[in-house]
Amino acid sequence: EPEVTQTPSHQVTQMGQEVILRCVPISNHLYFYWYRQILGQKVEFLVSFYNNEISEKSEIFDDQFSVERPDGSNFTLKIRSTKLEDSAMYFCASSPRGSGYTFGSGTRLTVV
Amino acid sequence: RKEVEQDPGPFNVPEGATVAFNCTYSNSASQSFFWYRQDCRKEPKLLMSVYSSGNEDGRFTAQLNRASQYISLLIRDSKLSDSATYLCVVIANAGNNRKLIWGLGTSLAVNP
Repeated sequence: EPEVTQTPSHQVTQMGQEVILRCVPISNHLYFYWYRQILGQKVEFLVSFYNNEISEKSEIFDDQFSVERPDGSNFTLKIRSTKLEDSAMYFCASSPRGSGYTFGSGTRLTVV
Repeated sequence: RKEVEQDPGPFNVPEGATVAFNCTYSNSASQSFFWYRQDCRKEPKLLMSVYSSGNEDGRFTAQLNRASQYISLLIRDSKLSDSATYLCVVIANAGNNRKLIWGLGTSLAVNP
Protein backbone atom coordinates (compact mmCIF):
# COMPACT_ATOMS: atom_id res chain seq x y z
CA GLU A 1 0.00 0.00 0.00
CA PRO A 2 1.43 3.42 -0.92
CA GLU A 3 2.44 5.53 2.02
CA VAL A 4 3.53 9.03 2.92
CA THR A 5 7.05 9.04 4.31
CA GLN A 6 8.31 11.61 6.78
CA THR A 7 11.83 12.21 7.99
CA PRO A 8 13.23 12.51 10.53
CA SER A 9 10.94 10.71 12.94
CA HIS A 10 12.27 12.82 15.81
CA GLN A 11 14.12 16.12 15.69
CA VAL A 12 15.54 17.94 18.68
CA THR A 13 16.61 21.51 18.09
CA GLN A 14 17.62 24.53 20.09
CA MET A 15 15.32 27.50 20.30
CA GLY A 16 16.03 29.95 17.51
CA GLN A 17 17.41 27.34 15.13
CA GLU A 18 15.95 26.54 11.76
CA VAL A 19 14.52 23.09 11.06
CA ILE A 20 13.36 21.45 7.88
CA LEU A 21 10.84 18.65 8.08
CA ARG A 22 10.68 16.42 5.05
CA CYS A 23 7.85 14.52 3.48
CA VAL A 24 7.55 12.31 0.44
CA PRO A 25 3.88 12.22 -0.53
CA ILE A 26 2.29 9.43 -2.51
CA SER A 27 3.50 9.79 -6.06
CA ASN A 28 0.24 10.40 -7.93
CA HIS A 29 -1.25 12.67 -5.29
CA LEU A 30 -1.80 16.32 -6.12
CA TYR A 31 -2.71 17.92 -2.80
CA PHE A 32 -0.32 18.18 0.10
CA TYR A 33 -0.80 19.29 3.66
CA TRP A 34 0.97 19.92 6.89
CA TYR A 35 -0.77 19.48 10.21
CA ARG A 36 0.58 19.64 13.70
CA GLN A 37 -0.50 18.18 17.00
CA ILE A 38 0.79 19.55 20.28
CA LEU A 39 0.89 16.81 22.90
CA GLY A 40 -2.56 16.29 24.35
CA GLN A 41 -4.21 18.71 21.97
CA LYS A 42 -6.11 18.35 18.75
CA VAL A 43 -4.69 18.08 15.27
CA GLU A 44 -4.37 21.56 13.74
CA PHE A 45 -4.24 22.50 10.09
CA LEU A 46 -1.17 24.46 9.02
CA VAL A 47 -1.11 24.69 5.26
CA SER A 48 -2.33 23.11 2.05
CA PHE A 49 -0.38 23.07 -1.20
CA TYR A 50 -1.59 22.43 -4.71
CA ASN A 51 -0.18 23.11 -8.14
CA ASN A 52 3.12 24.28 -6.69
CA GLU A 53 1.66 26.94 -4.49
CA ILE A 54 0.02 27.42 -1.14
CA SER A 55 -3.73 27.13 -1.52
CA GLU A 56 -4.60 27.87 2.07
CA LYS A 57 -2.86 28.50 5.35
CA SER A 58 -4.01 28.84 8.92
CA GLU A 59 -3.23 31.66 11.31
CA ILE A 60 -0.64 29.40 12.90
CA PHE A 61 1.31 29.40 9.64
CA ASP A 62 2.99 32.77 10.11
CA ASP A 63 6.15 34.19 8.58
CA GLN A 64 8.41 31.77 10.39
CA PHE A 65 6.91 28.88 8.39
CA SER A 66 7.41 28.09 4.74
CA VAL A 67 6.77 25.12 2.48
CA GLU A 68 8.49 23.98 -0.65
CA ARG A 69 8.28 21.27 -3.19
CA PRO A 70 11.89 21.46 -4.34
CA ASP A 71 11.64 18.53 -6.75
CA GLY A 72 8.98 16.16 -7.98
CA SER A 73 8.88 14.08 -4.85
CA ASN A 74 9.71 16.00 -1.67
CA PHE A 75 7.48 18.39 0.22
CA THR A 76 9.20 20.27 3.02
CA LEU A 77 8.14 22.41 5.95
CA LYS A 78 10.71 24.90 7.17
CA ILE A 79 10.50 26.61 10.52
CA ARG A 80 12.92 29.51 10.47
CA SER A 81 13.48 30.38 14.10
CA THR A 82 11.99 27.74 16.33
CA LYS A 83 10.22 28.59 19.56
CA LEU A 84 9.51 26.34 22.51
CA GLU A 85 5.84 26.31 21.57
CA ASP A 86 6.66 24.82 18.18
CA SER A 87 7.30 21.50 19.92
CA ALA A 88 4.71 19.13 18.48
CA MET A 89 4.12 16.23 16.14
CA TYR A 90 4.08 17.44 12.57
CA PHE A 91 2.09 15.35 10.14
CA CYS A 92 2.31 15.54 6.41
CA ALA A 93 -0.65 14.32 4.39
CA SER A 94 -1.38 13.93 0.72
CA SER A 95 -4.51 13.40 -1.27
CA PRO A 96 -5.26 12.63 -4.91
CA ARG A 97 -8.25 14.94 -5.18
CA GLY A 98 -8.53 16.99 -2.02
CA SER A 99 -10.20 14.17 -0.13
CA GLY A 100 -9.07 10.69 0.84
CA TYR A 101 -6.11 11.81 2.88
CA THR A 102 -3.14 9.65 3.75
CA PHE A 103 -1.01 10.75 6.66
CA GLY A 104 2.66 10.16 7.26
CA SER A 105 3.82 8.78 10.58
CA GLY A 106 4.89 12.22 11.70
CA THR A 107 7.97 14.04 12.89
CA ARG A 108 8.20 14.73 16.58
CA LEU A 109 9.83 18.14 16.96
CA THR A 110 11.26 19.02 20.34
CA VAL A 111 12.53 22.55 20.83
CA VAL A 112 14.77 22.99 23.85
CA ARG B 1 -19.56 26.77 19.75
CA LYS B 2 -16.45 24.85 18.72
CA GLU B 3 -16.18 23.86 15.07
CA VAL B 4 -16.03 20.19 15.96
CA GLU B 5 -16.76 19.01 19.47
CA GLN B 6 -16.34 15.62 21.06
CA ASP B 7 -16.58 14.27 24.58
CA PRO B 8 -12.91 13.63 25.41
CA GLY B 9 -13.75 10.69 27.68
CA PRO B 10 -12.02 8.52 28.67
CA PHE B 11 -14.50 5.76 28.02
CA ASN B 12 -13.51 2.65 29.96
CA VAL B 13 -15.43 -0.41 28.81
CA PRO B 14 -15.01 -4.17 29.23
CA GLU B 15 -14.21 -6.38 26.28
CA GLY B 16 -17.32 -7.25 24.33
CA ALA B 17 -19.16 -4.08 25.27
CA THR B 18 -20.88 -1.78 22.83
CA VAL B 19 -19.76 1.82 22.96
CA ALA B 20 -20.96 4.90 21.13
CA PHE B 21 -19.30 8.25 20.51
CA ASN B 22 -20.94 11.42 19.31
CA CYS B 23 -19.49 14.43 17.64
CA THR B 24 -21.16 17.75 16.88
CA TYR B 25 -20.13 20.27 14.27
CA SER B 26 -21.02 23.93 13.91
CA ASN B 27 -20.79 24.59 10.18
CA SER B 28 -24.04 23.54 8.58
CA ALA B 29 -22.38 23.70 5.14
CA SER B 30 -19.91 20.94 6.06
CA GLN B 31 -19.90 18.33 3.40
CA SER B 32 -17.81 15.34 4.38
CA PHE B 33 -17.36 13.54 7.63
CA PHE B 34 -14.92 10.95 8.85
CA TRP B 35 -13.85 9.02 11.87
CA TYR B 36 -10.13 8.61 12.35
CA ARG B 37 -8.37 6.47 14.89
CA GLN B 38 -5.17 7.60 16.56
CA ASP B 39 -2.99 5.40 18.70
CA CYS B 40 -0.77 7.06 21.26
CA ARG B 41 1.89 9.21 19.58
CA LYS B 42 1.06 7.82 16.14
CA GLU B 43 -0.49 9.39 13.08
CA PRO B 44 -4.24 9.49 12.62
CA LYS B 45 -5.56 6.70 10.41
CA LEU B 46 -8.85 6.75 8.59
CA LEU B 47 -11.34 4.44 10.23
CA MET B 48 -14.34 5.17 8.08
CA SER B 49 -16.16 7.84 6.14
CA VAL B 50 -19.62 8.80 7.30
CA TYR B 51 -22.42 8.88 4.76
CA SER B 52 -25.85 10.41 5.05
CA SER B 53 -27.46 7.01 4.81
CA GLY B 54 -25.25 5.62 7.55
CA ASN B 55 -22.67 2.98 6.93
CA GLU B 56 -21.31 -0.10 8.58
CA ASP B 57 -17.93 -1.77 8.44
CA GLY B 58 -17.80 -4.94 10.48
CA ARG B 59 -18.24 -4.01 14.13
CA PHE B 60 -18.25 -0.28 13.36
CA THR B 61 -21.30 1.76 12.40
CA ALA B 62 -21.22 5.45 11.56
CA GLN B 63 -24.22 7.72 11.23
CA LEU B 64 -24.78 11.31 10.24
CA ASN B 65 -27.61 13.54 11.38
CA ARG B 66 -27.46 16.71 9.32
CA ALA B 67 -30.48 18.30 10.95
CA SER B 68 -28.88 18.11 14.39
CA GLN B 69 -25.36 18.46 13.04
CA TYR B 70 -23.83 15.45 14.67
CA ILE B 71 -22.17 12.23 13.68
CA SER B 72 -21.84 9.09 15.68
CA LEU B 73 -19.65 6.02 15.83
CA LEU B 74 -20.85 2.77 17.33
CA ILE B 75 -18.42 -0.02 18.15
CA ARG B 76 -19.93 -3.41 18.88
CA ASP B 77 -18.21 -6.32 20.62
CA SER B 78 -15.24 -4.12 21.50
CA LYS B 79 -11.77 -5.65 21.50
CA LEU B 80 -8.68 -4.75 23.47
CA SER B 81 -7.14 -3.55 20.22
CA ASP B 82 -9.90 -0.96 19.85
CA SER B 83 -8.25 1.06 22.62
CA ALA B 84 -7.27 4.34 20.99
CA THR B 85 -8.43 7.90 20.52
CA TYR B 86 -11.23 8.35 18.00
CA LEU B 87 -11.15 11.60 16.11
CA CYS B 88 -14.12 13.16 14.44
CA VAL B 89 -13.16 15.03 11.30
CA VAL B 90 -15.26 17.37 9.22
CA ILE B 91 -14.41 18.79 5.84
CA ALA B 92 -15.50 22.34 5.23
CA ASN B 93 -15.17 23.97 1.87
CA ALA B 94 -13.39 27.29 1.90
CA GLY B 95 -13.56 28.64 -1.62
CA ASN B 96 -11.73 26.12 -3.77
CA ASN B 97 -10.07 24.57 -0.79
CA ARG B 98 -11.17 21.73 1.39
CA LYS B 99 -9.64 21.46 4.82
CA LEU B 100 -10.00 18.97 7.59
CA ILE B 101 -11.32 20.28 10.87
CA TRP B 102 -10.52 17.97 13.74
CA GLY B 103 -12.18 17.26 17.00
CA LEU B 104 -10.06 16.79 20.09
CA GLY B 105 -10.83 13.09 20.09
CA THR B 106 -12.53 10.65 22.40
CA SER B 107 -10.30 8.28 24.31
CA LEU B 108 -11.41 4.66 24.55
CA ALA B 109 -9.87 2.07 26.82
CA VAL B 110 -11.14 -1.49 26.44
CA ASN B 111 -10.33 -3.56 29.49
CA PRO B 112 -9.99 -7.35 29.78
